[in-house]
Amino acid sequence: GAVVSQHPSRVICKSGTSVKIECRSLDFQATTMFWYRQFPKQSLMLMATSNEGSKATYEQGVEKDKFLINHASLTLSTLTVTSAHPEDSSFYICSARDQRGATDTQYFGPGTRLTVL
Amino acid sequence: QKEVEQDPGPLSVPEGAIVSLNCTYSNSAFQYFMWYRQYSRKGPELLMYTYSSGNKEDGRFTAQVDKSSKYISLFIRDSQPSDSATYLCAMVDRGSTLGRLYFGRGTQLTVWP
Repeated sequence: GAVVSQHPSRVICKSGTSVKIECRSLDFQATTMFWYRQFPKQSLMLMATSNEGSKATYEQGVEKDKFLINHASLTLSTLTVTSAHPEDSSFYICSARDQRGATDTQYFGPGTRLTVL
Repeated sequence: QKEVEQDPGPLSVPEGAIVSLNCTYSNSAFQYFMWYRQYSRKGPELLMYTYSSGNKEDGRFTAQVDKSSKYISLFIRDSQPSDSATYLCAMVDRGSTLGRLYFGRGTQLTVWP
């Protein structure tokens, strides 16, 4: 297996502030990382695909100016929720693509619960 | 029609039962198949990964892929209360340069003692 960490695990912020979430692959290099959002009792919704050294690819309907993604190294991607509002409250999960050997799969982080007051 | 169909359940079984979870898909280009387990308020955990038709076993878990029928299954033997979670099937298109996952809706499983 492989380990992907996320920090912080939980964050509460005031409306209008920005929040940064970090995603790290701890034991392998990930050229590609993904950011998902999950509402209660629903499946994962892909927000964007992050490639090391290039601009992220956003899914339709996801505001790229609101959800800033940076993938500065092969082990770190960050998601910044800018000017957060209560409707941005959700569970955010990252994953890292593992292509070691003949595999092509993703390992997920533990998630970050964002609450915007 | 969604590309990956999965019965959301919920599924409730007694401890020790054999559990069968299934997904069907429509895209014949799907090549890599995964099962994830997700506990409440946690990220999904990779349980099984396979890329060929047939069975793959790991402890109490068996993943089965039938590419001709576009059907995958996960069997859990001797189910335990700790297996209570949501199980997600996921697939990757062999032509995908980014490796995007296509998920089923997830099946909620409860194993009662």
